Amino acid sequence: NAGVTQTPKFRILKIGQSMTLQCAQDMNHNYMYWYRQDPGMGLKLIYYSVGAGITDKGEVPNGYNVSRSTTEDFPLRLELAAPSQTSVYFCASSYSAGSNTEAFFGQGTRLTVV
Amino acid sequence: GENVEQHPSTLSVQEGDSAVIKCTYSDSASNYFPWYKQELGKGPQLIIDIRSNVGEKKDQRIAVTLNKTAKHFSLHITETQPEDSAVYFCAASNQAGTALIFGKGTTLSVSS
Repeated sequence: NAGVTQTPKFRILKIGQSMTLQCAQDMNHNYMYWYRQDPGMGLKLIYYSVGAGITDKGEVPNGYNVSRSTTEDFPLRLELAAPSQTSVYFCASSYSAGSNTEAFFGQGTRLTVV
Repeated sequence: GENVEQHPSTLSVQEGDSAVIKCTYSDSASNYFPWYKQELGKGPQLIIDIRSNVGEKKDQRIAVTLNKTAKHFSLHITETQPEDSAVYFCAASNQAGTALIFGKGTTLSVSS
């Protein structure tokens, strides 16, 4: 049982490039989330999903896209990377009750856009 | 939307002292309030949570209190130890009950 696995751990992108941050969980959780963490700003919700085929915007969705074709995977796509997207990205999952149960976080992806 | 304010942003205590971190939230519909601890280079981990039908919850040296009328909740750590040094986040469920909204975090430093 690996929990929530994020890849890659580190990445440097040039402005305008695109990339996909991968997230997989093996706990059969329905709910999955993407957060970004900036120094002194806490965790901001980007997108979330309540089940396969269903996604919704969080607090800061601009510049990102997600898909949820399976229960296990929830990739985050950056189409045109900008310096403002330099951040640490965390994927999380929780049981079907969503925000009323423990959210398990991955180890994070540190992204730098130059 | 929901907004969560957390204070203080940094907190330094001596080993053995108590530490208190306070949070306020804006949405009266919020009904779940977890606290997460984040160690350097790792993802946040749940340490304790409380639901709106409970006023206080304790787990060994950690306790959380909730005042729904005032819309604030607090984390209390007693007999602090150096390994308690980390960033602590409070969170509240959003109005739809589908995600968590986090505070900005408190960096706790415990010196021996």
